[in-house]
Amino acid sequence: EAQVTQNPRYLITVTGKKLTVTCSQNMNHEYMSWYRQDPGLGLRQIYYSMNVEVTDKGDVPEGYKVSRKEKRNFPLILESPSPNQTSLYFCASSWTGITGELFFGEGSRLTVL
Amino acid sequence: AQRVTQPEKLLSVFKGAPVELKCNYSYSGSPELFWYVQYSRQRLQLLLRHISRESIKGFTADLNKGETSFHLKKPFAQEEDSAMYYCALRGQGAQKLVFGQGTRLTINP
Repeated sequence: EAQVTQNPRYLITVTGKKLTVTCSQNMNHEYMSWYRQDPGLGLRQIYYSMNVEVTDKGDVPEGYKVSRKEKRNFPLILESPSPNQTSLYFCASSWTGITGELFFGEGSRLTVL
Repeated sequence: AQRVTQPEKLLSVFKGAPVELKCNYSYSGSPELFWYVQYSRQRLQLLLRHISRESIKGFTADLNKGETSFHLKKPFAQEEDSAMYYCALRGQGAQKLVFGQGTRLTINP
C-alpha cells in the first residue's frame, strides 16, 4: 500500500533528551516535508526537502534538524527537546515539489515534560 | 505575508442541508488554493484544488480573487461529510502550503 509512515505515533519524553521521529514513504516521491500542528495555529511547516541531500527551512525550524540521505526517508531530529515542542507532527510527501497532492502520514503526538 | 483564515472552528448542520465552510486568504500574488480533509481515524488528504475546477464528493470551491476567498460548498450535506477541513494556500514558487486553523464539520442526522 502506498503510504507515508511515521514512528513513533506517540511519545512522552523529558526536556533535553534527544529524539528522532522517523518518516518513510514508499511512493518514490522526491519532495518531503514536516509540519507541526498546534491548537489555533493550523499546520506550520518545519523543514522540507526537494530531493536527496537537499533540505531547507520552513516557517518554524528552530530546535529541529532533518536529514535526507535516502529518497524514502526524512527523519526529524530534536536535539534538545523543550516543552514548547509539545505538538502533533505530520510528515508529508509529494512527487515533485508542492505543485501536486501532498500525502500525509498519520501523525506523531509528542509531549515534552 | 501569506495567511489563511477559517473563521469557524466548529460548524454543525443537519443532513440534507446546504453547507459552506469559509476560507479567506491574504496573499498579494496569484495563489493556488486547496481544501484538505481529515475523516475520523484517517490521514489528512486532498479534497480538491482550485485549478482543477472539479467537484469531489459533491463539494465545490470557487476562488474569488476580489474577496480573497475560497469557500467550500455542498448543496446537500451527508453524515459521512463529518470531518475536519483545512483550507491551504501555496504562493507562487513556494515550496510549502500555508494552512488555516481548520473547521470541524458535524452533520447531524
